[in-house]
Amino acid sequence: GIQVEQSPPDLILQEGANSTLRCNFSDSVNNLQWFHQNPWGQLINLFYIPSGTKQNGRLSATTVATERYSLLYISSSQTTDSGVYFCAVGGYSSASKIIFGSGTRLSIRP
Amino acid sequence: DSGVTQTPKHLITATGQRVTLRCSPRSGDLSVYWYQQSLDQGLQFLIQYYNGEERAKGNILERFSAQQFPDLHSELNLSSLELGDSALYFCASSPRTGPSPGELFFGEGSRLTVL
Repeated sequence: GIQVEQSPPDLILQEGANSTLRCNFSDSVNNLQWFHQNPWGQLINLFYIPSGTKQNGRLSATTVATERYSLLYISSSQTTDSGVYFCAVGGYSSASKIIFGSGTRLSIRP
Repeated sequence: DSGVTQTPKHLITATGQRVTLRCSPRSGDLSVYWYQQSLDQGLQFLIQYYNGEERAKGNILERFSAQQFPDLHSELNLSSLELGDSALYFCASSPRTGPSPGELFFGEGSRLTVL
């Protein structure tokens, strides 16, 4: 089945810094989402982005499907951005399975 | 609020017992997914249903079973519980099935503790 790798696994930044999180996948995808899991365990939808670029405030994401990767950009980090960021993908060959990467744990220090 | 409702939010039980977790999808969504998240781990895909039929299966244990009812709510049954089954169980829903099921929305999860 499709493999999903996220990097870096951990990231510690000062408030106000910018960051780039990466998601690589091993096969063509027709479904890709970014989620933020906050410290209370809730999964928050950030972007549904199987291809192209989207922006929402300080966050933006780009998926280059032909090169099998997606990037999540966080600018001017705030302490509330802390948590784990997951990428989840569904491939053409994987039928209905939506597979999650292992996540990037982001810690923003005041 | 994602529109996906999971009950119970917390559950504490003993080894060997059986529990049922319930999920109501967003209005209009026909697909339901179940995931397991053990402590500080990623989300492991368990099973997916579309309009009452099983459509995809992950590494779901034989002690676990699920179904989706005609009103589209779903239940995940966990039996002969072991300590290692302690985890956060998430349900998600999406409009469709197949390789392009649309955006998934998650409930707040059911936290199961097995003592």
